[in-house]
Amino acid sequence: AQSVTQPDIHITVSEGASLELRCNYSYGATPYLFWYVQSPGQGLQLLLKYFSGDTLVQGIKGFEAEFKRSQSSFNLRKPSVHWSDAAEYFCAVGGESYGKLTFGQGTILTVHP
Amino acid sequence: DAGVIQSPRHEVTEMGQEVTLRCKPISGHNSLFWYRQTMMRGLELLIYFNNNVPIDDSGMPEDRFSAKMPNASFSTLKIQPSEPRDSAVYFCASSTARPTFGSGTRLTVV
Repeated sequence: AQSVTQPDIHITVSEGASLELRCNYSYGATPYLFWYVQSPGQGLQLLLKYFSGDTLVQGIKGFEAEFKRSQSSFNLRKPSVHWSDAAEYFCAVGGESYGKLTFGQGTILTVHP
Repeated sequence: DAGVIQSPRHEVTEMGQEVTLRCKPISGHNSLFWYRQTMMRGLELLIYFNNNVPIDDSGMPEDRFSAKMPNASFSTLKIQPSEPRDSAVYFCASSTARPTFGSGTRLTVV
């Protein structure tokens, strides 16, 4: 069975600081990995995805994520956080049916000025 | 590209009533998914369709829930009868290689 663990329920950073959100997955085959962001009362917006190839993927809004097969991880990073990045972030794993995703419980990001 | 369109955005209904949620996927996307989001259980896949055919409905919680996709541009999720524990945000997503989510329907059953 596939699963995703986001160990941090809530992270607080100062504006301008770097950010890393952790994601560990369990999947029996080559995973397709995603990061989504959700602002309060809104839907989920895709930040980036990994299917194959280069293990460092770039996404929108200055985010990047690195796939590490040996660690079963797909951590999300941003070098300098902006106040507008405050939201909830979800890591998800799927297979050949691209929308059949299993989500982590989410990490709430708070940004202090 | 108008994205995935869900209606209504908000629905408040009384226990026992029938509720129908609607979704228009992105044109050309051949897969459609219904997810439910709650504080307790997070985001759960309820059912998904491929080329209008239901493929996996193992996430549908009870027989009170049903979903249809009569054509490539429309899907419904129906709850009959509704119960307070059905209160949640219901998302529709469509996909080829990049799952795109609608804005969701916030359902409150009182």
